[in-house]
Amino acid sequence: GESVGLHLPTLSVQEGDNSIINCAYSNSASDYFIWYKQESGKGPQFIIDIRSNMDKRQGQRVTVLLNKTVKHLSLQIAATQPGDSAVYFCAENASGYSTLTFGKGTMLLVSP
Amino acid sequence: KAGVTQTPRYLIKTRGQQVTLSCSPISGHRSVSWYQQTPGQGLQFLFEYFSETQRNKGNFPGRFSGRQFSNSRSEMNVSTLELGDSALYLCASSLAPAAANTEAFFGQGTRLTVV
Repeated sequence: GESVGLHLPTLSVQEGDNSIINCAYSNSASDYFIWYKQESGKGPQFIIDIRSNMDKRQGQRVTVLLNKTVKHLSLQIAATQPGDSAVYFCAENASGYSTLTFGKGTMLLVSP
Repeated sequence: KAGVTQTPRYLIKTRGQQVTLSCSPISGHRSVSWYQQTPGQGLQFLFEYFSETQRNKGNFPGRFSGRQFSNSRSEMNVSTLELGDSALYLCASSLAPAAANTEAFFGQGTRLTVV
């Protein structure tokens, strides 16, 4: 499938700040998106997902925004904590396809 | 409820050898997907199994194979190992096939080093 990419390879923030991680996708058929967090030495951890019939979805301290017009996805983390430091991946899929396509990832570094 | 379990966590193999990795999905999940993660290529899809059938295969050579058992546990095998096969191999499980757009949960991965 077509690739999913991230704008920023590294994002450095201070503890307590809000973080925004961006993702651009190119497959207009994509209708399902997931954000994953991967800490060093661990597998990706599911954070939140969103389907294309929604523009926004909120979880605990996280919000995902989807702009289908410009094929853009973002993950907002409120009151970022040192424990949020990790690599964040967006992944997309199109209904009927058996594979998630992942972006390259963004490293989030949170300073105390 | 136990998560996705992958064994072993770490493996060191010699070029030319073969290796088998195991994945036990979350109880009740019938779909298992395998991914290879490397610093240069990121996460790349290997294959997906659902109800013991391979539904899709990524762009990897035939040295990479897999199977799924009736209890949904899955194994992947890599034969004639090459140095470039060194990677973190990740397994993801979900209730339904990925094509149904359901949440996929990953295991901790198996770190394979080929020397």
